[in-house]
Amino acid sequence: NAGVTQTPKFRVLKTGQSMTLLCAQDMNHEYMYWYRQDPGMGLRLIHYSVGEGTTAKGEVPDGYNVSRLKKQNFLLGLESAAPSQTSVYFCASRPQIYQETQYFGPGTRLLVL
Amino acid sequence: AQSVAQPEDQVNVAEGNPLTVKCTYSVSGNPYLFWYVQYPNRGLQFLLKYITGDNLVKGSYGFEAEFNKSQTSFHLKKPSALVSDSALYFCAVSSSGSARQLTFGSGTQLTVLP
Repeated sequence: NAGVTQTPKFRVLKTGQSMTLLCAQDMNHEYMYWYRQDPGMGLRLIHYSVGEGTTAKGEVPDGYNVSRLKKQNFLLGLESAAPSQTSVYFCASRPQIYQETQYFGPGTRLLVL
Repeated sequence: AQSVAQPEDQVNVAEGNPLTVKCTYSVSGNPYLFWYVQYPNRGLQFLLKYITGDNLVKGSYGFEAEFNKSQTSFHLKKPSALVSDSALYFCAVSSSGSARQLTFGSGTQLTVLP
């Protein structure tokens, strides 16, 4: 199993550009999450999904959209990138309701100029 | 609302000495508590968790954590530190809802000196 993978690993954007980050998991997990990591702030939840076709807002959803059209994929979109969205983005997945541990991908480093 | 505090940004310890990384939490209801480790330019790796049961939880790489309900703490410990334990450590608490949203602390950088 590849586990949780993220594409791309690194990206530079100009302010106002759009992009989509892809998270894929091959473990048949129901739940998926997108976090951002900023220095001194730990990880903060952006959006999450409790199953195929569902999404919900986390702690810091503004400026982001998500979709989960297929169970194995969770996409994070930035419609109009801003310098404040410069961060490292992590995706995670969790098997099902009574299995608590989240498994993380390697991260995507995004720089918005 | 749930929250996690890691009061120390940096912990330094000599190789072979015991280490402790501190964590306190606030949550409604029963807490689900986790420790994750992050090595440079890598994702987070799961170390251990407390869901219910024995207050002393054993995890990967010789780490353990002690759940203390009265002090709302979940400190990470290891009897004998290794240089390879140097990394960024995150404590996290999960909600009781089905989504199990994790709230992370700000992280503690552990440096083990040879």
